[in-house]
Amino acid sequence: EIVLTQSPATLSLSPGERATLSCGASQSVSSSYLAWYQQKPGLAPRLLIYDASSRATGIPDRFSGSGSGTDFTLTISRLEPEDFAVYYCQQYGSSYTFGQGTKLELK
Amino acid sequence: EVQLVQSGAEVKKPGESLKISCKGSGYIFSFYWIAWVRQMPGKGLEWMGIIFAGDSDTRYSPSFRGQVTISADKSISTAYLQWSSLKASDTAMYYCARHDTRGYFDYWGQGTLVTVSS
Repeated sequence: EIVLTQSPATLSLSPGERATLSCGASQSVSSSYLAWYQQKPGLAPRLLIYDASSRATGIPDRFSGSGSGTDFTLTISRLEPEDFAVYYCQQYGSSYTFGQGTKLELK
Repeated sequence: EVQLVQSGAEVKKPGESLKISCKGSGYIFSFYWIAWVRQMPGKGLEWMGIIFAGDSDTRYSPSFRGQVTISADKSISTAYLQWSSLKASDTAMYYCARHDTRGYFDYWGQGTLVTVSS
C-alpha cells in the first residue's frame, strides 16, 4: 500500500499570502495519479486537482498542483478567506490512499 | 448537473444492521464506479471500496473487507453500503463519491452520519 504523508500538519497564514502544501509518497505514484481535495467543516470534500496538475471544473487558477514520482505540491498563490480549510492528497495509481490532511488556518 | 444524494443520518445500537444509500443523477449511472469513504470524528478520509454500477463488480479496501457490503441497483441509480452487525467504532460520516474513469473522485454526496451507541 502506498502511504501518503502530508506536511505540514497545520499551516498558519494570512489572506493574500502564498500557501505551499506537500504530499510525499512511500513509493512512486504511477502516471502522476494524484489528486488534491479541499474540505470545509461540515461539508463533503471537493476535488481541486487531478493527475497532479490539472484543475477540476470551476476551480480558481490561484490553485495549482505540481510534482511527480514521490513528491507533490499544492500551491495557493494568494489566499482568499474562503481557502482556509483542510486539504487532502490522494493517490489512485495503485488502489487508493489518502494523506492525513493539512489544516490551513487563519493566522 | 451531476448529483449524489445520500440517505439521512442514522442512530443505531451495537449489533443492529444498517443499509445506507447514494442516489446518482445528472449522468449515466451505470457507466461509472461509485466509491465509499469513511471519515471518523475529527479524522481523515479512508477509502472503503468501490463498485461498478454497470455490473456490480466490487473491490474492497483490505481494511474493510468482510466488515461491510457494497452493492448497487442500476435500475434506480443507487449504490448502497451495509453492515450486518454494527459496532460503536462504526460511528462516522460516510461519503459516496463518483469515481472518474482514471480514479479520482470527482463528485461527492453530502455524507451520511452513522452513530452507533447503546
